[in-house]
Amino acid sequence: QKEVEQDPGPLSVPEGAIVSLNCTYSNSAFQYFMWYRQYSRKGPELLMYTYSSGNKEDGRFTAQVDKSSKYISLFIRDSQPSDSATYLCASRDSYDKVIFGPGTSLSVIP
Amino acid sequence: DTGVSQNPRHKITKRGQNVTFRCDPISEHNRLYWYRQTLGQGPEFLTYFQNEAQLEKSRLLSDRFSAERPKGSFSTLEIQRTEQGDSAMYLCASSLSAPNEKLFFGSGTQLSVL
Repeated sequence: QKEVEQDPGPLSVPEGAIVSLNCTYSNSAFQYFMWYRQYSRKGPELLMYTYSSGNKEDGRFTAQVDKSSKYISLFIRDSQPSDSATYLCASRDSYDKVIFGPGTSLSVIP
Repeated sequence: DTGVSQNPRHKITKRGQNVTFRCDPISEHNRLYWYRQTLGQGPEFLTYFQNEAQLEKSRLLSDRFSAERPKGSFSTLEIQRTEQGDSAMYLCASSLSAPNEKLFFGSGTQLSVL
């Protein structure tokens, strides 16, 4: 079992839709949770960074962490074609390396 | 701040040849990471440095792979006797070393082994 799991998709939504991306993890020691966005042939770009359980909002993006169920979510409101990318969730504990999920491919159709 | 820089962007080589990649991190970042990514997969950890010290190396990394960060600034990743299975995107990231460090990635080096 991989430490971080995601549904690889692809996920296709119409412009303006609310997108929900989900991720699970297995290591109870994970304390920090991240979402990265990766465009084709580019390096991952940090979108959201959260510590422990709770919600964090940044513009159209909301990250949720539920440590009791080891479940991480990213919501994108009013999705735009420019949001089309692969979304990687990632986790780590306080002093260890960052472990990535396989990514979910998202297409937002105009 | 110019971000994390990786060179070359693309490398095509024949099986059995040696290749070397370079990463220049964000200047004030003392941690530097190497990851490998294949199509449809997330980045896979290879190794990381704090300043010039290599703190961890993935068990999946064969002895053909070696990384250095001689002065705690730029880093090189060398692959000896390349194999077709080494074809991948090699990503470098840097961060501060505080517990809540955030990784910032370069654009990667795409390696194709023929």
